[in-house]
Amino acid sequence: QVQLQESGPGLVKPSETLSLTCTVSGGSISSYYWSWIRQPAGKGLEWIGRIYTSGSTNYNPSLKSRVTMSVDTSKNQFSLKLSSVTAADTAVYYCARDFVRDFDIWGQGTMVTVSS
Amino acid sequence: QSALTQPASVSGSPGQSITISCTGTSSDVGGYNYVSWYQQHPGKAPKLMIYEVSNRPSGVSNRFSGSKSGNTASLTISGLQAEDEADYYCSSYTSSSTLRVFGGGTKLTVL
Repeated sequence: QVQLQESGPGLVKPSETLSLTCTVSGGSISSYYWSWIRQPAGKGLEWIGRIYTSGSTNYNPSLKSRVTMSVDTSKNQFSLKLSSVTAADTAVYYCARDFVRDFDIWGQGTMVTVSS
Repeated sequence: QSALTQPASVSGSPGQSITISCTGTSSDVGGYNYVSWYQQHPGKAPKLMIYEVSNRPSGVSNRFSGSKSGNTASLTISGLQAEDEADYYCSSYTSSSTLRVFGGGTKLTVL
């Protein structure tokens, strides 16, 4: 079955760029939307944005100025870049398959801490 | 502040039923049948439990059911079991530029 795995640095310095990759295994990345969702410790879920395999994107307006998503269908991967990070961006970051109606498959999540 | 409103906590005894509400607006919950519910155990990723208001993915117990009335969706868990103790989140598609919104989450305690 399809599985997702996030990867990337667990520690990012303030004002730098957070970069994460999600690898899709057990199935093709093509013809689906793929989302990034984050969760600060002890808090709720926040949708960051999504990308279609054509490269079309939609971002949460609250983060839009700092977010860039990309997709590499040859590697079955999609990526997130969040620039100018602050401590408020410290969270567990999840990638998920986005069916519009729901997020049906999630990665295990990766903790990213913003600290000098 | 989350776009969708959920109670912070609910509790119930084994065997009982509980209902978690999720209140939005006509731009999200009330306007579309794209409400979904997720179960999250500590340290784990969320798991899809209900999609399109009332549909269960394969493998999810029929003790979990969903419904909607107006701008409020509900998740009902019947025959509570200890393993149901978790956080539950609702989510909806929205016509706003945000596209996707979540509730603040509800902690279910099985007494």
